[in-house]
Amino acid sequence: EAGVVQSPRYKIIEKKQPVAFWCNPISGHNTLYWYLQNLGQGPELLIRYENEEAVDDSQLPKDRFSAERLKGVDSTLKIQPAELGDSAVYLCASSLGGLEKNIQYFGAGTRLSVL
Amino acid sequence: QQQVKQSPQSLIVQKGGISIINCAYENTAFDYFPWYQQFPGKGPALLIAIRPDVSEKKEGRFTISFNKSAKQFSLHIMDSQPGDSATYFCAASKPNTPLVFGKGTRLSVIA
Repeated sequence: EAGVVQSPRYKIIEKKQPVAFWCNPISGHNTLYWYLQNLGQGPELLIRYENEEAVDDSQLPKDRFSAERLKGVDSTLKIQPAELGDSAVYLCASSLGGLEKNIQYFGAGTRLSVL
Repeated sequence: QQQVKQSPQSLIVQKGGISIINCAYENTAFDYFPWYQQFPGKGPALLIAIRPDVSEKKEGRFTISFNKSAKQFSLHIMDSQPGDSATYFCAASKPNTPLVFGKGTRLSVIA
C-alpha cells in the first residue's frame, strides 16, 4: 500500500517567488494535515482538512499561504510570495478517521530553501 | 506557550543500553500520547502510543510509561541499537484536535 506521497522533495527558489507543494494522502483517509517543520523542531500544524473542508487553519499565515483540497483527496499548499523565513520542511500527513483519527501517517516532506 | 515539553534535546547511549526520553504536558484534556521516530530526510513515523487509562505500554523493545498525576510520559528503548539512532518526538492531542509535538530528541546509539 502506498503511503503519503509528496512532491517535489526539494525546492529552491528566490525570495518573492511563488511555490506550490502537492500531497496525495493514503487512499481512503479523510483527514489531511499540512505541517511546517523547522530545523531541529517538531512539526507544527498549518492546516487540517476533513474531506474538502478546512476545519483548522488558525496557524496558516493567510496573507501569503493558501491551501486547497479539491474533491477531498489530493491537496496543494501554496506560498506567494515566499520569504527567507519560509525555508523549512513542509510535511503532509493523513489519517483514517473514527477510532484511528489520531493515527497520522506522514509523507517524506518537501524541503524548501528560499534564497 | 509550549504545550508539550520534551527532554533531553540530545542523547548518546551505548549499544545495548537503555534510552530514556521524557515529556511533560499541561493540558489535562489530552487523551492520546504518541511517540514518533524520524530519520533524516524522512517524515515522522508512529512508533508507539498510549492513552491515559493505562500506565504502561510495551511493544518489543519500546515502552511508554505514563504518569497521569504528574502529567508526564516517557519512552524507554531497551537494548538500544545503532539503527535506533534518529530523532524522537513526543506528541499529545485532545479528541478531534490535531497533534501537538515536542521539540524532539536526537538519539545517537554508539557501538
